[in-house]
Amino acid sequence: NAGVTQTPKFQVLKTGQSMTLQCAQDMNHEYMSWYRQDPGMGLRLIHYSVGAGITDQGEVPNGYNVSRSTTEDFPLRLLSAAPSQTSVYFCASSTWDSGYTFGSGTRLTVV
Amino acid sequence: EDKVVQSPLSLVVHEGDTVTLNCSYEVTNFRSLLWYKQEKKAPTFLFMLTSSGIEKKSGRLSSILDKKELSSILNITATQTGDSAIYLCAAKSGAGSYQLTFGKGTKLSVIP
Repeated sequence: NAGVTQTPKFQVLKTGQSMTLQCAQDMNHEYMSWYRQDPGMGLRLIHYSVGAGITDQGEVPNGYNVSRSTTEDFPLRLLSAAPSQTSVYFCASSTWDSGYTFGSGTRLTVV
Repeated sequence: EDKVVQSPLSLVVHEGDTVTLNCSYEVTNFRSLLWYKQEKKAPTFLFMLTSSGIEKKSGRLSSILDKKELSSILNITATQTGDSAIYLCAAKSGAGSYQLTFGKGTKLSVIP
């Protein structure tokens, strides 16, 4: 079982560039979310979705966009990268009664 | 606002020691408490504790939920260097939400 697949694993961007972090799950989970993890800050929720066509903002949504056109996919778009977005990004999915299954993460550096 | 607090933030022990990690929570309509282990990559699931399952055990790891005290502990006995990781606690609200509120984690270092 693939579980939650995130790509790419590593990325370096220049300030102002845009990019999309991909996330796909094959467990038919209705809930998907994106977190960023920074030293001393823990996991912070960026955006989440409770089903196809439904998205909402988390704790730190500024500078990021998401869409959920299918149950399986939940891409995260950085509109104009800033050094403050240097972080490790995790995608996670779940059902109502389960804990989260995390992807392997994307380490993003913005220079 | 939902909140999860873990203590200590970091801990260094010797192989063979027993450790207890603490987690306290304040969430709306509490549903469940989860523990994760994070080594170099993504968090991996350890336990989920609910009203109907307040104690879980897997090998040298065990966890207890105290709903009266709004807290949970994670015990690791006979620690090994492979137990070195960040341990995350998270609470799930039942107020119509899938969301987990995470604590900042306890960094455990086990030295030979």
